Amino acid sequence: EPEVTQTPSHQVTQMGQEVILRCVPISNHLYFYWYRQILGQKVEFLVSFYNNEISEKSEIFDDQFSVERPDGSNFTLKIRSTKLEDSAMYFCASTRDPLDTQYFGPGTRLTVL
Amino acid sequence: AQRVTQPEKLLSVFKGAPVELKCNYSYSGSPELFWYVQYSRQRLQLLLRHISRESIKGFTADLNKGETSFHLKKPFAQEEDSAMYYCALTRDSSYKLIFGSGTRLLVRP
Repeated sequence: EPEVTQTPSHQVTQMGQEVILRCVPISNHLYFYWYRQILGQKVEFLVSFYNNEISEKSEIFDDQFSVERPDGSNFTLKIRSTKLEDSAMYFCASTRDPLDTQYFGPGTRLTVL
Repeated sequence: AQRVTQPEKLLSVFKGAPVELKCNYSYSGSPELFWYVQYSRQRLQLLLRHISRESIKGFTADLNKGETSFHLKKPFAQEEDSAMYYCALTRDSSYKLIFGSGTRLLVRP
């Protein structure tokens, strides 16, 4: 069964550095999402992406964040200048149709020192 | 604002006992409700959604619009049901999932 994959599984970075989190959605899916979960808190929506455009974003998704689908398979989340409070588990999800089930990747744990 | 509340952080039951994981929501429109499960060291996966009215792994959930609840139930818990359970909703014109804080279910032998 196809799955969403994410790399790396764990990323450690220094405050102020740029990070790129990578996701490979399921191949025939067209809608892509990023969520994050700070330790001990809720899973929070960051952004949704369709047809090479952001369709919705949360207040968390400020100018420090960007998303891109650089080729036909990858979907990336970039944080330009990481802060300590960006430390969290980041989940990618995809779906073929927005009304369908969202399928989640295993997550990338980002640690900002 | 839309909100999903799961009042229990931890629910511990013995194998064979009934389980009810509580979920309440606040949204004035017509939400779609979901239960996601995360087993140890695995990814979030959909357990069930109210629109499909399915019973998955013996779990059921009924949407009660009057009480704005979507509690997850299972008559006889199994040890393999031990996991983190998240209630979530999507609302009209938006497909983002709004999650509750999760309930850890521990089924003891």
